[in-house]
Amino acid sequence: DTAVSQTPKYLVTQMGNDKSIKCEQNLGHDTMYWYKQDSKKFLKIMFSYNNKELIINETVPNRFSPKSPDKAHLNLHINSLELGDSAVYFCASSQASETKTSGGRHTQYFGPGTRLTVL
Amino acid sequence: GNSVTQMEGPVTLSEEAFLTINCTYTATGYPSLFWYVQYPGEGLQLLLKATKADDKGSNKGFEATYRKETTSFHLEKGSVQVSDSAVYFCALSDPGDYKLSFGAGTTVTVRA
Repeated sequence: DTAVSQTPKYLVTQMGNDKSIKCEQNLGHDTMYWYKQDSKKFLKIMFSYNNKELIINETVPNRFSPKSPDKAHLNLHINSLELGDSAVYFCASSQASETKTSGGRHTQYFGPGTRLTVL
Repeated sequence: GNSVTQMEGPVTLSEEAFLTINCTYTATGYPSLFWYVQYPGEGLQLLLKATKADDKGSNKGFEATYRKETTSFHLEKGSVQVSDSAVYFCALSDPGDYKLSFGAGTTVTVRA
């Protein structure tokens, strides 16, 4: 029973193309995230949705557009892919009510990652 | 702002050796602290966490104690195995802030 799943696991594409990555969680969580891991393994938050509402939007090119059709899904669409977009993209989820009752001490659960290679 | 500083790797050990990975943090509030592990080719897994000062998180033989006075959350394991080879990330979450702030990660290789 996969808790947080992502598709595809690998994505190889040409510069200039448009691609999407999908994420689904079956934990019943109400908050989902996208993180980017660069070639040096550094992890940085990109976006977060709580109950389908965008709550975190870090400094990310507007070629990246997240979309949350419901609480269990968060997709990431990338337009006009560039070489620098090559990275591993991780989806994560957490329960915000845990945040409210424990003063922000929530735990995030991560998917297996999508390795994007732009040629 | 929030930040996490981890000791730089890579770290190479022999099996049954003692492992310590240092982690210090700066935060605007009273954060929760986490250690995540990334095995080769896999995603991040929560290893352990602590939510208040002097709490000790533990899992799979790993331990870390939340030290507010030294703003540290060092990870330790008394006897490592080859299967512990992975990248270890220290992270924090501030109250009311949804995102995790990660350290740079420490690559650990355990030789048989």
